[in-house]
Amino acid sequence: KAGVTQTPRYLIKTRGQQVTLSCSPISGHRSVSWYQQTPGQGLQFLFEYFSETQRNKGNFPGRFSGRQFSNSRSEMNVSTLELGDSALYLCASSWGGGMNTGELFFGEGSRLTVL
Amino acid sequence: QQQVKQSPQSLIVQKGGISIINCAYENTAFDYFPWYQQFPGKGPALLIAIRPDVSEKKEGRFTISFNKSAKQFSLHIMDSQPGDSATYFCCGGDAGNMLTFGGGTRLMVKP
Repeated sequence: KAGVTQTPRYLIKTRGQQVTLSCSPISGHRSVSWYQQTPGQGLQFLFEYFSETQRNKGNFPGRFSGRQFSNSRSEMNVSTLELGDSALYLCASSWGGGMNTGELFFGEGSRLTVL
Repeated sequence: QQQVKQSPQSLIVQKGGISIINCAYENTAFDYFPWYQQFPGKGPALLIAIRPDVSEKKEGRFTISFNKSAKQFSLHIMDSQPGDSATYFCCGGDAGNMLTFGGGTRLMVKP
């Protein structure tokens, strides 16, 4: 069974630009979550999508947005990039049904550098 | 999000020794406490998890101890091996798939 696939793995952008990251979950998983990982702030929850609907949202500005498609693939977008947005963006998938099981399957991440 | 405080930030243990990582949480709505292991260049992977109605859970060399009244839990790695060298994160989870991560512990096991 293929794991969670994130593209691109590495990218460099400049301040003010926007970026779109893609995540393909494990087959059969309907929930996709996004996390930001930085040395200073650690791992922080961005948002979660289940069946194309945003189910939970973390404490990030509106420049961070996402969506989920009918095949459960997800994208996240960051507009008007700032230097502080440099981070590893991790996508995690899970079956998503019922109450929290905590068993998230993470991809290897997309490392964004903002210059 | 409520914090999950994790200590120590880094830990060096000799091969065969016991590694102990401690966490404390604030949000009493947390009903699930997983631990994730992350190797360099990889995403975190679930190691072991516990629910608050259980005081201890053991899986192989890994044991979680949970103290609900103190809002603390810990991970013990027995007979630590060099292959255990990684960053470990404790988490708190409530309804939904939103996890609050601790700050992480970088473990190095010396041969």
